Amino acid sequence: DIQMTQSPSTLSASVGDRVTITCRASQSINRWLAWYQQKPGKAPKLLIYKASSLESGVPSRFSGSGSGTEFTLTINSLQPEDFATYYCQQYNSYWTFGQGTKVEIK
Amino acid sequence: EVQLVESGGGLVQPGRSLRLSCAASGFTFEDYAMFWVRQPPGKGLEWVSGISWNSGSIDYAESVKGRFTISRDNAKNSVYLQMDSLRAEDTALYYCAKGDLSALAAFWDYWGQGTLVTVSS
Repeated sequence: DIQMTQSPSTLSASVGDRVTITCRASQSINRWLAWYQQKPGKAPKLLIYKASSLESGVPSRFSGSGSGTEFTLTINSLQPEDFATYYCQQYNSYWTFGQGTKVEIK
Repeated sequence: EVQLVESGGGLVQPGRSLRLSCAASGFTFEDYAMFWVRQPPGKGLEWVSGISWNSGSIDYAESVKGRFTISRDNAKNSVYLQMDSLRAEDTALYYCAKGDLSALAAFWDYWGQGTLVTVSS
């Protein structure tokens, strides 16, 4: 099984900050990685697929990068609605998620 | 607008069965793979099962293999999850998700709001 490890688990930030979340795969997944945002009591929402492709309707302040085993999600100029939990997911071999990164208000 | 509406959750005793349903609308259902994902209260996400557009390919997580059965009815725009021999560790919010492809090798572009399954005596 492919294991996904996200860091940090929790991130405290302020509105306007640039935030970076890292996701590492236990083996190469090429670029078969997605990022989801989940707010309390809501279903996850797709942000990024194939490591760096922005889903339609997602603000351009979200961006993804990486390939192989190292990936990042960057949020430029954090907005109030961005405080949420973020998950990476590999879909190279079955589907596994990172443990999540909670972005909270500093 | 894509909509996925899950139903069928509830409180069930260990060892019993439950059948979840997911009604889809707003897209050509028969063209896409569908998935079930679960999230235990306060915890992360776990893939449970997936089914390709024509039911030709089906996969299960090891944790549910042999106990859960996924199926779909393209005429009714619905996907189902039959859960047998339920255990306390199956307690979770169960989401239905749409794949971005007809085959299973897909990420998930839409999710339902989930249905809660609680396994307890």
